[in-house]
Amino acid sequence: SQQGEEDPQALSIQEGENATMNCSYKTSINNLQWYRQNSGRGLVHLILIRSNEREKHSGRLRVTLDTSKKSSSLLITASRAADTASYFCATDEDDYKLSFGAGTTVTVRA
Amino acid sequence: DTGVSQDPRHKITKRGQNVTFRCDPISEHNRLYWYRQTLGQGPEFLTYFQNEAQLEKSRLLSDRFSAERPKGSFSTLEIQRTEQGDSAMYLCASSPRPRRATDTQYFGPGTRLTVL
Repeated sequence: SQQGEEDPQALSIQEGENATMNCSYKTSINNLQWYRQNSGRGLVHLILIRSNEREKHSGRLRVTLDTSKKSSSLLITASRAADTASYFCATDEDDYKLSFGAGTTVTVRA
Repeated sequence: DTGVSQDPRHKITKRGQNVTFRCDPISEHNRLYWYRQTLGQGPEFLTYFQNEAQLEKSRLLSDRFSAERPKGSFSTLEIQRTEQGDSAMYLCASSPRPRRATDTQYFGPGTRLTVL
């Protein structure tokens, strides 16, 4: 079963706009990771945030984590056509297994 | 360092045939994972290795599935007597032995299996 759940399922934005997607999970975690997947390809790791962190930045990405609400958000600023992809949050079960949600599909229109 | 590689990238087979996939992890990564991803879903954990030892198997891994990592380097995933429900993307990932909790897992490009 998949622990994480992303919202919305799909998002369409204009180039230059910001994209925000959310992830909710069910059990306690050690960390939460966000991955990107271009159509039919493997997953690319974007960012990892540990349970004792509240916010993390990496380039145009900003991730927040609220362990009291069991939720996380990923913000992509100044979106580009190359950001078109599916985005997944993944939580750790035990110390080896990642549990992924169904993902948010982001389309950036030129 | 060329990242995680998987071979083949695509496999089309007929129901009932056996298939084998290979994964080469990032060198010196102790842990190797297999996941399966069906259309519109996120990856689901199948199994993982710490060096050559297979330490955990998901209930998704029926007895038709077997995975090996004989020398603690590359790994193979074999599916015997394939069924149409086995059609999916099979993803391999590797990570260094984590110092604490779960570490970043680096994924390969995947093998897309189509069972006719």
